[in-house]
Amino acid sequence: DTEVTQTPKHLVMGMTNKKSLKCEQHMGHRAMYWYKQKAKKPPELMFVYSYEKLSINESVPSRFSPECPNSSLLNLHLHALQPEDSALYLCASRAPGQGAAGIQYFGAGTRLSVL
Amino acid sequence: DAKTTQPNSMESNEEEPVHLPCNHSTISGTDYIHWYRQLPSQGPEYVIHGLTSNVNNRMASLAIAEDRKSSTLILHRATLRDAAVYYCILRDVLGSQGNLIFGKGTKLSVKP
Repeated sequence: DTEVTQTPKHLVMGMTNKKSLKCEQHMGHRAMYWYKQKAKKPPELMFVYSYEKLSINESVPSRFSPECPNSSLLNLHLHALQPEDSALYLCASRAPGQGAAGIQYFGAGTRLSVL
Repeated sequence: DAKTTQPNSMESNEEEPVHLPCNHSTISGTDYIHWYRQLPSQGPEYVIHGLTSNVNNRMASLAIAEDRKSSTLILHRATLRDAAVYYCILRDVLGSQGNLIFGKGTKLSVKP
């Protein structure tokens, strides 16, 4: 099983709402990632978790709050977003110990629209 | 991370070979060359990677120049399902977390 599952597939929210994106993998991977992808642009790294600890935050605004409650699950909590935050949010995971040779497995993404 | 340069777009005919080039003139000795592709409405998927030698797998072949300043992803027989954006990415074995830094990629169109 090389699947990374993201829910929901689509999300529409208002600027005052609070919502969460969920990502799950059962491959035993201990590195998990959030990316943001605007239309017709490449994915941009947002956060990296390694062994359930946040190791990289690419200067992401605090209205995005990641959480890794266990080794299989990654959440992205959203609050007071702006319309420019509308994008495809991608989750990925990677097996431990492979460094630069390691393969990342991506989910299909959550397409977020902020009204 | 060292940068890569790829053509913005390429076209191919179905069932013909496709050669997707990537230039990485500032590559370091510890950089792996990775290729990912992103089909429409999907997340990126791994295609192939290599360090110095040419590599083959069930999806594609990777030809790496002797000086490692360029590489070519080869799809041996393009199908309509291969229409995607192809990303060439360098990953430093000494860098942190094995992160992927995506460039603009090459959009491949396949004509029937």
